[in-house]
Amino acid sequence: GENVEQHPSTLSVQEGDSAVIKCTYSDSASNYFPWYKQELGKRPQLIIDIRSNVGEKKDQRIAVTLNKTAKHFSLHITETQPEDSAVYFCAASLYKLSFGAGTTVTVRA
Amino acid sequence: NAGVTQTPKFRVLKTGQSMTLLCAQDMNHEYMYWYRQDPGMGLRLIHYSVGEGTTAKGEVPDGYNVSRLKKQNFLLGLESAAPSQTSVYFCASSRDWFEQYFGPGTRLTVT
Repeated sequence: GENVEQHPSTLSVQEGDSAVIKCTYSDSASNYFPWYKQELGKRPQLIIDIRSNVGEKKDQRIAVTLNKTAKHFSLHITETQPEDSAVYFCAASLYKLSFGAGTTVTVRA
Repeated sequence: NAGVTQTPKFRVLKTGQSMTLLCAQDMNHEYMYWYRQDPGMGLRLIHYSVGEGTTAKGEVPDGYNVSRLKKQNFLLGLESAAPSQTSVYFCASSRDWFEQYFGPGTRLTVT
């Protein structure tokens, strides 16, 4: 099955700086790559996703890039704000989603 | 439009007891899923369904059973609870294999 590795496991950034989270996947057939944000005690929420026919997708301060050849994809958050503090999960799928272990992002004021 | 809801929110069981978790969605989604979330391990798929009357095993199905008798509901059963099943359980639904929407979760403790 699909194996997704996510790095780093924790990330602390100064407010206003950028944050980058990277994920690698094992199954070259995977074609869908979502990112979820989970605040403490809350449900995971889909924040952005990308399909394999696209190399980059942007939505306001967040962007995702995909390198199919290297089998890795990344989440970029620019101009970080305190409300960006949360756990972020990447996932990959051809059909069923396989999740990374998560990155705890802390934005320092 | 409530989205995905889960019942109960919290539950404490003794080893060997049984229980059923209920997931309901009002988005007319065909696909429904049950995940468990443990610290440092992300979300792992227990069972899923691609339509009313269908179920299939996910990554960690042992000790769990599911049923999808109605399109809007997906039930997760634990026949004989074990401490290893202490976890937070999330239900999700989607129109197709993409864009899964999660419920608020059920925190289960087995003593």
